[in-house]
Amino acid sequence: RKEVEQDPGPFNVPEGATVAFNCTYSNSASQSFFWYRQDCRKEPKLLMSVYSSGNEDGRFTAQLNRASQYISLLIRDSKLSDSATYLCVVNRGGYALNFGKGTSLLVTP
Amino acid sequence: DTGVSQDPRHKITKRGQNVTFRCDPISEHNRLYWYRQTLGQGPEFLTYFQNEAQLEKSRLLSDRFSAERPKGSFSTLEIQRTEQGDSAMYLCASSLDFGTGEQYFGPGTRLTVT
Repeated sequence: RKEVEQDPGPFNVPEGATVAFNCTYSNSASQSFFWYRQDCRKEPKLLMSVYSSGNEDGRFTAQLNRASQYISLLIRDSKLSDSATYLCVVNRGGYALNFGKGTSLLVTP
Repeated sequence: DTGVSQDPRHKITKRGQNVTFRCDPISEHNRLYWYRQTLGQGPEFLTYFQNEAQLEKSRLLSDRFSAERPKGSFSTLEIQRTEQGDSAMYLCASSLDFGTGEQYFGPGTRLTVT
């Protein structure tokens, strides 16, 4: 079983829609959690960290449930420019980031 | 541009040849990481340097792979006797403060082994 599991999608949504991505992780000792965004043929870039209390950055809201080992990302009012792959990332406390396979999002006009 | 840079951006090689990739991290970052990404997968950790010391290596890093960071600045990743399964995007990342988790990635080197 992979350490970080994501629904690969693709998610096709119209502009203005709200879309939610989910992620589960297997190692209960995981310490840090993130969402990275990766555009086609580009490098991953940090979208936001995920905190236990939940956190919001503009149209993006991230939630963490440590008991269920579950992470979510909510995107409100989707824009065409949100089309990308969203990578759920977990750190167990070492140096490596453990990435999920990514969830592909396509926002259409 | 003060971001992470990688060279070359693309490399096509024949099976059995050796290849070497270079990564220049953000100048003040003392931590440097190598990852590998194949199509449809997330990046997979290969190795980590703190300054010039290689502190962690993944099981993915077989004996044919070697990485160096001789002066704690740029790093090289060499693959000897390349195999078709080595075809992937090799990503380098750097960070100043690991605690934030914010690793800054370079554009990657796409390796194709024919």
